[in-house]
Amino acid sequence: AQSVSQHNHHVILSEAASLELGCNYSYGGTVNLFWYVQYPGQHLQLLLKYFSGDPLVKGIKGFEAEFIKSKFSFNLRKPSVQWSDTAEYFCAVNTNAGKSTFGDGTTLTVKP
Amino acid sequence: GAGVSQSPSNKVTEKGKDVELRCDPISGHTALYWYRQRLGQGLEFLIYFQGNSAPDKSGLPSDRFSAERTGESVSTLTIQRTQQEDSAVYLCASNLARVGEAFFGQGTRLTVV
Repeated sequence: AQSVSQHNHHVILSEAASLELGCNYSYGGTVNLFWYVQYPGQHLQLLLKYFSGDPLVKGIKGFEAEFIKSKFSFNLRKPSVQWSDTAEYFCAVNTNAGKSTFGDGTTLTVKP
Repeated sequence: GAGVSQSPSNKVTEKGKDVELRCDPISGHTALYWYRQRLGQGLEFLIYFQGNSAPDKSGLPSDRFSAERTGESVSTLTIQRTQQEDSAVYLCASNLARVGEAFFGQGTRLTVV
């Protein structure tokens, strides 16, 4: 069965610091990969997604993620975080069987 | 509607009572998920419906939990004989299978007192 692992449970950064959140998945076949964000008091919403093509994908608000197939990884990055990026971030994988699996989430706190 | 709709948005119930939570997915979405999110924690998978296939119930924590879905429409999650540890936000999501982008509802906040 597929699984998703997010290594950082809680990350605390100062504004303008660079961010990288780790995500690894286990599944041997073709996958679609996603990062979702949940701002305080709001719905979970899509941040970015990878289906195929360029392994470096760009999402909203300056976020990007790189798919490294050999490492089964899809790490999320942002060069300079803002206070408004404080949120919970979830990595997810969807396989050709159709089911989505989410990681446990990483809470990001950005200090102003 | 345009998005996933859940009702009620908040539910306070007494320990031992049954509760029923409702999810209206986006029209045409074949897949529907229920998750539980306890305060400060991640998403706990409960159940997955895909079209007319048998649901994946592997995440249901006990036999007090059950869910139904009629075709590709509304789903209800039922918790019988609620316990205080059932207090959480219950999230519903739907997507087009094999595309995979999930759309989430706003959740139902369940408080068992």
